[in-house]
Amino acid sequence: GAGVSQSPSNKVTEKGKDVELRCDPISGHTALYWYRQSLGQGLEFLIYFQGNSAPDKSGLPSDRFSAERTGGSVSTLTIQRTQQEDSAVYLCASSLGGRGDTDTQYFGPGTRLTVL
Amino acid sequence: KQEVTQIPAALSVPEGENLVLNCSFTDSAIYNLQWFRQDPGKGLTSLLLIQSSQREQTSGRLNASLDKSSGRSTLYIAASQPGDSATYLCGGVNNTDKLIFGTGTRLQVFP
Repeated sequence: GAGVSQSPSNKVTEKGKDVELRCDPISGHTALYWYRQSLGQGLEFLIYFQGNSAPDKSGLPSDRFSAERTGGSVSTLTIQRTQQEDSAVYLCASSLGGRGDTDTQYFGPGTRLTVL
Repeated sequence: KQEVTQIPAALSVPEGENLVLNCSFTDSAIYNLQWFRQDPGKGLTSLLLIQSSQREQTSGRLNASLDKSSGRSTLYIAASQPGDSATYLCGGVNNTDKLIFGTGTRLQVFP
């Protein structure tokens, strides 16, 4: 079956512009996660959606970052007024039920964001 | 706060060797420990998941162990092959359900 997909695969933008990154989780997975991988910081958690619960936004680095998940499926990560330090690979993952003890997180290929 | 460390940061071995990658974590209250591989420019591929109640998991030439009391997990790769060359990441999940990742071990297996 289809895995987690992300689009675009690459995005180059100018400083100050807004960008939207999209994630399509595996069908039937109720949990969706966004992570960021950058050279200086490694892989870090950004935000977590589980079913209809309020998302865990504790990893978002600033209020320029936001995410939504419509209809319990597709998610969009939006970065407003991009800065050069936002340059990174943004990875999306999904899991079946969001149960931390048993559920494997499956990752998409990522979106490489470059802010000039 | 959970912190995850991986040693070594890089490893280069000849084909056929058995090798061990190490992962240590500071908070023993983890729910599970996952091992991933990442190829250059690619996403993460899940290799093994060890639940907190388990001590090890095996898949093919891979064996991962978990010792919560000492805060350690190891990934054992038997009879390494050039195709095993990649970065290996471990991640721990605690009661917040999100993965806290180590910095990875970059493995190169040469023919």
